Amino acid sequence: GENVEQHPSTLSVQEGDSAVIKCTYSDSASNYFPWYKQELGKRPQLIIDIRSNVGEKKDQRIAVTLNKTAKHFSLHITETQPEDSAVYFCAASLGDTGNQFYFGTGTSLTVIP
Amino acid sequence: GAVVSQHPSRVICKSGTSVKIECRSLDFQATTMFWYRQFPKKSLMLMATSNEGSKATYEQGVEKDKFLINHASLTLSTLTVTSAHPEDSSFYICSATSGGANTEAFFGQGTRLTVV
Repeated sequence: GENVEQHPSTLSVQEGDSAVIKCTYSDSASNYFPWYKQELGKRPQLIIDIRSNVGEKKDQRIAVTLNKTAKHFSLHITETQPEDSAVYFCAASLGDTGNQFYFGTGTSLTVIP
Repeated sequence: GAVVSQHPSRVICKSGTSVKIECRSLDFQATTMFWYRQFPKKSLMLMATSNEGSKATYEQGVEKDKFLINHASLTLSTLTVTSAHPEDSSFYICSATSGGANTEAFFGQGTRLTVV
């Protein structure tokens, strides 16, 4: 199956700074890459996703980039706010019929006021 | 977004008993549901994929006889942990999609299972 690696495992930034989380995947057939935010004790929520025919996607302060050749994708959060503090998971999906998501190991982001 | 409801949110059971966890899509038909296990401060580990009306596909290393998955309707999937042991204590979470490739998955709120 797919193997997704995520770095860093923990990240602390000052409020207003940017945060970058990086993921790599192993299966070149993967073509859908969502990012989830999970607050403590809550379910993961999709914050942004990107498909293999797109190199970059942006939604307000959040952006995701994809490099299919290198098999890596990144999440960028600009102008971070304390409410951005959470665990972020990247995922990769083969997206055929099963749409299984294989998750990265997670990044615990802390935004320091 | 769509709503996925998981029940119960917490359960404590004795070692050797079985526990059933339900995952329901409330406002859409979930052709595919996924079951994950999450250890403290760890990522979500995919256990199995279930499609309505067919047998679940288990990930390598997951015992299908221990974790019974049933997806009898387009709105309900169940995970039964059979003969639970303390090492089965974990956070179990389901997700569901309405079908098709590259569609968003919606997560249930999770079930905290504690086996004593």
